[in-house]
Amino acid sequence: EDQVTQSPEALRLQEGESSSLNCSYTVSGLRGLFWYRQDPGKGPEFLFTLYSAGEEKEKERLKATLTKKESFLHITAPKPEDSATYLCAVYRAENNAGNMLTFGGGTRLMVKP
Amino acid sequence: DGGITQSPKYLFRKEGQNVTLSCEQNLNHDAMYWYRQDPGQGLRLIYYSQIVNDFQKGDIAEGYSVSREKKESFPLTVTSAQKNPTAFYLCASRRQGAWYGYTFGSGTRLTVV
Repeated sequence: EDQVTQSPEALRLQEGESSSLNCSYTVSGLRGLFWYRQDPGKGPEFLFTLYSAGEEKEKERLKATLTKKESFLHITAPKPEDSATYLCAVYRAENNAGNMLTFGGGTRLMVKP
Repeated sequence: DGGITQSPKYLFRKEGQNVTLSCEQNLNHDAMYWYRQDPGQGLRLIYYSQIVNDFQKGDIAEGYSVSREKKESFPLTVTSAQKNPTAFYLCASRRQGAWYGYTFGSGTRLTVV
């Protein structure tokens, strides 16, 4: 069964303390891995798409990387405004008429000033 | 600006009552999705629709119903058969034909009173 697992479930950082969030997946034939940011009481906002192992994407203090089994979201020198839940999701390559994303449980990041 | 509008933002349901959550998009997207999010958990798929007048059950469809009479609209009805409806409901849409990510609405928080 295809699975997406995110760790840790929650992460507390001091402002400026860099760290990484993990998203491991077991899907048959990855077609795309997505990172979203979700603020409390709001819908997820798109951050990155990664399509193949070795690919990297950057946006401000965030950098996403992809291997054949997992993706990392690196946060460099985080600020309190980076506090949010970060969601990882994947498409499967099988002929799925729904083309549905499968989501992980998310990592809740809290950055203290 | 194009986007997805969910309404209402907050909804209260009495025991035994059916309620309908609205989702409208002006992105000209073909596919639309309904997800449920419980506190501290990831997104679970309720229903999805690839084209007008067609929709498919997701992983947790019991106690829910949908319709897709127009490309722009995909309302979700939470019926009295759904025994634990208190949750955050997210609507999303996606362009067809490629591995694009979803665009999400801002969500509806449903509470049973």
